[in-house]
Amino acid sequence: GENVEQHPSTLSVQEGDSAVIKCTYSDSASNYFPWYKQELGKRPQLIIDIRSNVGEKKDQRIAVTLNKTAKHFSLHITETQPEDSAVYFCAAGYSTLTFGKGTMLLVSP
Amino acid sequence: EAQVTQNPRYLITVTGKKLTVTCSQNMNHEYMSWYRQDPGLGLRQIYYSMNVEVTDKGDVPEGYKVSRKEKRNFPLILESPSPNQTSLYFCASSNWAVGADTQYFGPGTRLTVL
Repeated sequence: GENVEQHPSTLSVQEGDSAVIKCTYSDSASNYFPWYKQELGKRPQLIIDIRSNVGEKKDQRIAVTLNKTAKHFSLHITETQPEDSAVYFCAAGYSTLTFGKGTMLLVSP
Repeated sequence: EAQVTQNPRYLITVTGKKLTVTCSQNMNHEYMSWYRQDPGLGLRQIYYSMNVEVTDKGDVPEGYKVSRKEKRNFPLILESPSPNQTSLYFCASSNWAVGADTQYFGPGTRLTVL
C-alpha cells in the first residue's frame, strides 16, 4: 500500500517568514495530493490540493508543488501569520488516501 | 448545510462493553471512511467504504467493525473495546466519482476506554 512520509514534525517560524513542509510517497499510482490544516480541538480541513497532471497550484499565500518523478510534494506558506499555527497533514492516494503523520507549525508574533 | 455528523462527541466506557459511533453525511457521497488519531501517529485509516454494501479494511482494522447499509450512514462498531482503542475518531466522506477526492471530516469522537 501507499506510504507517506512528512517532514519536519515541528516547525517554528517568525511571523512574516515562509514555511515549507515536505512529503514523499511510495505508490506511483497515486494521483491526488491534498493538504489539511487541523487547529487545536478541531477537525482537519482541506486548504489546498493538487492532482498529478499539475505541477504547481497556488491560492493566495499557500502553494503546493508536485514532483511525480521524485515522488514528493511540498506545501509553501508565505508571509506567515499567528493564525497559521496548527497541525498540517499531507495525504496521497488514487482510490483512498494515506496521511502523513503531521507537522506542527508554530508562528510566533 | 452540507456536513458530516458524528455521535457521540465524547464517550467514556469500560473494557468489553460494546459501543457504536454513528456517522452520517448529507452530501450524497459514495465514499466514507473512519480514522483514528493518536499523538505522533497522524490519521490512520480503520475502514473505508466506496459504496453501499462495500467495505474494506484500512491500516488498523483490528477490533473494529463497520457496515454500510445506506449511502448516508457508516457506523463504527467496537464489539469489545479495550484501553488501546482510547483515541480520537474521525469519520470522513467524499465524492468518489473520479477516485480519491476532497474528504470532509466529521467533528470527531473522543473515546476513552477504562
